[in-house]
Amino acid sequence: GQNIDQPTEMTATEGAIVQINCTYQTSGFNGLFWYQQHAGEAPTFLSYNVLDGLEEKGRFSSFLSRSKGYSYLLLKELQMKDSASYLCAVIMNTGFQKLVFGTGTRLLVSP
Amino acid sequence: SAVISQKPSRDICQRGTSLTIQCQVDSQVTMMFWYRQQPGQSLTLIATANQGSEATYESGFVIDKFPISRPNLTFSTLTVSNMSPEDSSIYLCSVELDRDHQETQYFGPGTRLLVL
Repeated sequence: GQNIDQPTEMTATEGAIVQINCTYQTSGFNGLFWYQQHAGEAPTFLSYNVLDGLEEKGRFSSFLSRSKGYSYLLLKELQMKDSASYLCAVIMNTGFQKLVFGTGTRLLVSP
Repeated sequence: SAVISQKPSRDICQRGTSLTIQCQVDSQVTMMFWYRQQPGQSLTLIATANQGSEATYESGFVIDKFPISRPNLTFSTLTVSNMSPEDSSIYLCSVELDRDHQETQYFGPGTRLLVL
């Protein structure tokens, strides 16, 4: 089976840095996405990693270690609007992009 | 990214009835996907819809319960048949698009379904 784990909930304060971890054990791997999902809305794409290392994109960065089955999403200079759920999704190694989603992490940013 | 719309945005249905959800994309796409997101949970893939062929269903999902149509490269429908309260969920379609030379999945706004 496929197993993708994330912490259920995290809290942080405005202006701080938070790291959301994702560990995975899947039968295939062709990359990993991070999505942000505000309550009542669709997931929106944040980042993609397929090679080991850090991908930086403004306030958000994502890291991948394929040998460890581990990724994290780093959010800097937190803003209230960053309060949302963050989903990691593994791209399974099929001919098309089959995604298996993690359990999701609900982040609450307080003033 | 493409503009993806879904109809209806929400519905309240009686058990035993069926609801067809539409997904429209403003550009031609090969692959479309249907997901379910049950309350407080993450997304689960129901099936993959490729134009011109039968949909491919994931374990735990069957065509009789969730028939899918894919008549062209910009449109798909998912029907939730013979509904029960356990089918209350958000149903999302997604499409695979090339973004900066990387295939990325983008999601529609979702359809919130409540079955009484």
